Amino acid sequence: KAGVTQTPRYLIKTRGQQVTLSCSPISGHRSVSWYQQTPGQGLQFLFEYFSETQRNKGNFPGRFSGRQFSNSRSEMNVSTLELGDSALYLCASSVAANEQYFGPGTRLTVT
Amino acid sequence: GESVGLHLPTLSVQEGDNSIINCAYSNSASDYFIWYKQESGKGPQFIIDIRSNMDKRQGQRVTVLLNKTVKHLSLQIAATQPGDSAVYFCAETEGDKLIFGSGTRLLVRP
Repeated sequence: KAGVTQTPRYLIKTRGQQVTLSCSPISGHRSVSWYQQTPGQGLQFLFEYFSETQRNKGNFPGRFSGRQFSNSRSEMNVSTLELGDSALYLCASSVAANEQYFGPGTRLTVT
Repeated sequence: GESVGLHLPTLSVQEGDNSIINCAYSNSASDYFIWYKQESGKGPQFIIDIRSNMDKRQGQRVTVLLNKTVKHLSLQIAATQPGDSAVYFCAETEGDKLIFGSGTRLLVRP
């Protein structure tokens, strides 16, 4: 069974731009969670989607948004990028929301 | 590879020795805990989990201990190998969310 895939793996954007990251969960997994990982803040929960509905949300500004499609694939979007948004963005999928399997992440650099 | 955390606590062990990584959690209502391993350039990898109705669970070369009285979790790795070098995170559940600890870097000396 294929693991969680994330695209792109690396991305460089400029302040003020917007970015969309994609995540394909493990087949059969309906829950997709997104996390931001930085050296200073560690792993922080962004949001979780289940059956196309946002079920949980972390403490991030409204510039961070996401969605889930009927095939469980998910995208997250960050608008008006700031330097502090530079991070590794991780997606995890699970059957429920407990045992989560992570993808390799997308490394976003904002210049 | 990427730096997961510049100021992580570090545990250095000799190859073949046992490793114990500790974690304090904050929510006494958490009922599910997971240990993850993250190698450089990769996403976190599930190692072992434990529910709050248990105090010990064993896997292959790994054991997780849960002490709910003091809200403490530990991961024991037997006969530590070079491939065990990574950053280890504990995570607790808050509803359907996972809340991660700050991580511990494990270095295995040959």
